Amino acid sequence: DIQMTQSPSSLSASVGDRVSFTCRASQSISTYLNWYQQKLGKAPKLLMSAASSLQSGVPSRFSGSGSGTDFTLTISSLQPEDFATYYCQQTYNIPYTFGQGTQLEIK
Amino acid sequence: EVQLVQSGAEVKEPGESLKISCKGSGYSFTNYWIGWVRQMPGKGLEWMGIIYPHDSDTRYSPSFQGQVTISVDKSISTVFLQWSSLKASDTAIYYCARHTTAHWADYWGQGTLVTVSS
Repeated sequence: DIQMTQSPSSLSASVGDRVSFTCRASQSISTYLNWYQQKLGKAPKLLMSAASSLQSGVPSRFSGSGSGTDFTLTISSLQPEDFATYYCQQTYNIPYTFGQGTQLEIK
Repeated sequence: EVQLVQSGAEVKEPGESLKISCKGSGYSFTNYWIGWVRQMPGKGLEWMGIIYPHDSDTRYSPSFQGQVTISVDKSISTVFLQWSSLKASDTAIYYCARHTTAHWADYWGQGTLVTVSS
C-alpha cells in the first residue's frame, strides 16, 4: 500500500492567516492526489482533485500544488468556516489510501 | 442534484450480520463507481473498496478483503456493504461516496453509524 503522511497533525491559526499543509506519499503518485475537508459530525467534502484542480463551488482562497511525492494545500486567508480537518488521498493505486489528517484549529 | 442517501444507524451485537445501504439519485447510477470509507470513533478516513454498478466489478482494500462484502442492485440504484459476523472493532461511521472515472470521491452520503456492542 502507498502510505500518505500529512504534516502537521494539527495547526492553530487565526482568521486572515495564510496556512499550508503538506502531504507526502511513500512512492511517486504523479498528480493522483486529492484533498478533502471534514467538519465535525459531517461527511468529507472534496476540495481539490489531481493535486491542483479546484472543485466547483470551492473558494479560490484554496489552492493545491505538487507532484510525485510531495504536495501542498494552501489557504490564502483563513475564514471562520475553514476550521476543520483536512485529508489528502492518493488515487494512483488501490487501495486509495488517506493521510491521517491535519486538524486546523482557531488560535 | 446528485444525492447519496444512506440507511440509518444500527446497533448490533458481536457475531450478528448486517447490511447497510447507499442509494444514488440525480445522475446515471451505473456509470460511476461507488465506494465505502470507514471512520472509527475519533479517527481518520480509511478507504475500504469500490464497486462499478454497470458490471459489478469490485475492488477491495487488502485490509478489508474477506471482512466485508460490497454489492449492488442496479434496479434500485443502491449499493450495499455487509458483514457476516460483526466485531466490536467494526464500530464506526461508514460513508459511501461516488467516485469519478479518475476515482476521486466527489459526492458523499451522510454516513451510517454502526455500533457493535454486547
